Amino acid sequence: QVQLQQSGPGLVKPSQTLSLTCAISGDSVSSNSVAWNWIRQSPSRGLEWLGRTYYRSKWYNDYAVSVKGRITINPDTSKNQFSLQLNSVTPEDTAVYYCARDWGKFVWGTYRGDAFDLWGQGTMVTVSS
Amino acid sequence: EIVLTQSPGTLSLSPGERATLSCRASQSVGSTYLAWYQQKPGQAPRLLIYGVSSRATGIPDRFSGSGSGTDFTLTISRLEPEDFAVYYCQHYGSSPPGTFGQGTKVEIK
Repeated sequence: QVQLQQSGPGLVKPSQTLSLTCAISGDSVSSNSVAWNWIRQSPSRGLEWLGRTYYRSKWYNDYAVSVKGRITINPDTSKNQFSLQLNSVTPEDTAVYYCARDWGKFVWGTYRGDAFDLWGQGTMVTVSS
Repeated sequence: EIVLTQSPGTLSLSPGERATLSCRASQSVGSTYLAWYQQKPGQAPRLLIYGVSSRATGIPDRFSGSGSGTDFTLTISRLEPEDFAVYYCQHYGSSPPGTFGQGTKVEIK
């Protein structure tokens, strides 16, 4: 059974870096068939896709415009997991963060994503001093 | 960017009744790249429907999706007690992925 297990701190100070990890069991972070995503949810912003990493002969990353410049998503093949780092956080980044999988395809040099069929359990992250 | 608007915000129904949830897109999303999710308190969203009308693995056939262009519908034919939750639509397939709707809460009347 494929599962995603999230870990990371629930409290981050303003201006610091939010770091979360999503461990994959039953699938591979290096799979050529899927992408690994981070999504967050807050009352003010609803469900918001943040970014993804995927392997198609080489590693690719795509990021949401709203967090570009502050976000890094990295695969860790040795541990079969992927991580989220969000820099310079503010209280606006307070949310429940989820990792998720999709079975998208690479079409004409562009990744065309699919629905998110598998989700982690979620991590509530509060940005506060 | 395509904006998805769900209605109603809250649907108050009794078990056994039929639920009809709407998702309207600000521009055409075609006939394929629309998904529905169910979310219960304290849980992650769960994929119900993808490709407008295909049920995800393990989803009961009382859930059905339909629509095309800008208007989409999720129908729950007969509400079971476990169906009372929040439902989200999502447009995908674009790069970057599309947005989610704001959700419809189905509550017990």
